[in-house]
Amino acid sequence: QQPVQSPQAVILREGEDAVINCSSSKALYSVHWYRQKHGEAPVFLMILLKGGEQKGHDKISASFNEKKQQSSLYLTASQLSYSGTYFCGTEDQAGTALIFGKGTTLSVSS
Amino acid sequence: DAGVTQSPTHLIKTRGQHVTLRCSPISGHKSVSWYQQVLGQGPQFIFQYYEKEERGRGNFPDRFSARQFPNYSSELNVNALLLGDSALYLCASSFRSPGVTQRGEAFFGQGTRLTVV
Repeated sequence: QQPVQSPQAVILREGEDAVINCSSSKALYSVHWYRQKHGEAPVFLMILLKGGEQKGHDKISASFNEKKQQSSLYLTASQLSYSGTYFCGTEDQAGTALIFGKGTTLSVSS
Repeated sequence: DAGVTQSPTHLIKTRGQHVTLRCSPISGHKSVSWYQQVLGQGPQFIFQYYEKEERGRGNFPDRFSARQFPNYSSELNVNALLLGDSALYLCASSFRSPGVTQRGEAFFGQGTRLTVV
């Protein structure tokens, strides 16, 4: 079952914050977040395992609520380089294929 | 270390033809997965291979097949190409074996852009 991402698109000015959500109807083992720029391959951002984990990488962090089968990606003080499409990929069991959402397009302008 | 490499980067084929796409995983990664990405959509899972065995298959017709070699590289084959097969084909590698409870980040190659005319 494909996870649902929201919102579909976000427009920001540099320095503003954004939250991207990913929810699934199935119990999840892990959530993976990727960013893809136009014409390029998805780039791995972070992985969260079940257990209510929260991670951070520079000014990008994420949380995983296992009970709600939801993950959120937090982008703070956005930079121009954050522009792109963000995908969440979910696993229902360890080592199974990633099922991706439709993506959230983030546009950051100066 | 080199990342995931795919070849060719671009390909134009005619309807009804056959195509073979290739992928070399990151050194030490034994798991390879194939995805199809059409414009405006997220990657859609096609196959997963681990230790030369198919471990998962997505909802794709039998025209799609794949295999993994002893060096863990992989090929994706598509027969009787249709216009709708035009897409970016992505390969991802991971070090984790299926069923093992551990982190399993998947890293993507740059993809093969297939155009069917």
